[in-house]
Amino acid sequence: AQKITQTQPGMFVQEKEAVTLDCTYDTSDPSYGLFWYKQPSSGEMIFLIYQGSYDQQNATEGRYSLNFQKARKSANLVISASQLGDSAMYFCAMRLTGANSKLTFGKGITLSVRP
Amino acid sequence: DVKVTQSSRYLVKRTGEKVFLECVQDMDHENMFWYRQDPGLGLRLIYFSYDVKMKEKGDIPEGYSVSREKKERFSLILESASTNQTSMYLCASSSRRAGGQTDTQYFGPGTRLTVL
Repeated sequence: AQKITQTQPGMFVQEKEAVTLDCTYDTSDPSYGLFWYKQPSSGEMIFLIYQGSYDQQNATEGRYSLNFQKARKSANLVISASQLGDSAMYFCAMRLTGANSKLTFGKGITLSVRP
Repeated sequence: DVKVTQSSRYLVKRTGEKVFLECVQDMDHENMFWYRQDPGLGLRLIYFSYDVKMKEKGDIPEGYSVSREKKERFSLILESASTNQTSMYLCASSSRRAGGQTDTQYFGPGTRLTVL
């Protein structure tokens, strides 16, 4: 069975600096997708970025990039130029290809951006 | 833009009541999901559906049932609410099309349910 691990305690970053949120995963399936979601205090889960296991390049979406290291089974989220609105909970998730899109989520990391 | 809506943001019910949580999506997605989220436990899948009238159990289906009579609507039912079902409930939908991020799950705003 697949597993997602997010072990960092609450993270703090100064406004305008970059921050890396860690995610490791475990699966024996060679084909999978990795997702990051943001959950602000309002509760809604917002999709941020996707990385496929066969993608040659690391995914980027605006200020978000995914540092994908397949051999180490890690998929860390990098947020550049942090903004106060980035303060939220961040979840890493994995989906096996063809598995009816079922996602396995990590337990999340809380990020606080300081002015 | 994908839009997933849930019938209530906040709900307070009494033990033993029958509770309906409604979810509607407007993107013609085949797949729909119900999760509950609890502090320290992350998101856990309760039920999902990949077609009208189809349903499959997730990781924690006990105490819940679901209904999907129309493609755009997926209902979560608590037959007899209990205090341990106090939680945040999140609905999501996704396309069944395979490949890349086309089957990204998009979430609704969540319902905070309190059972007294």
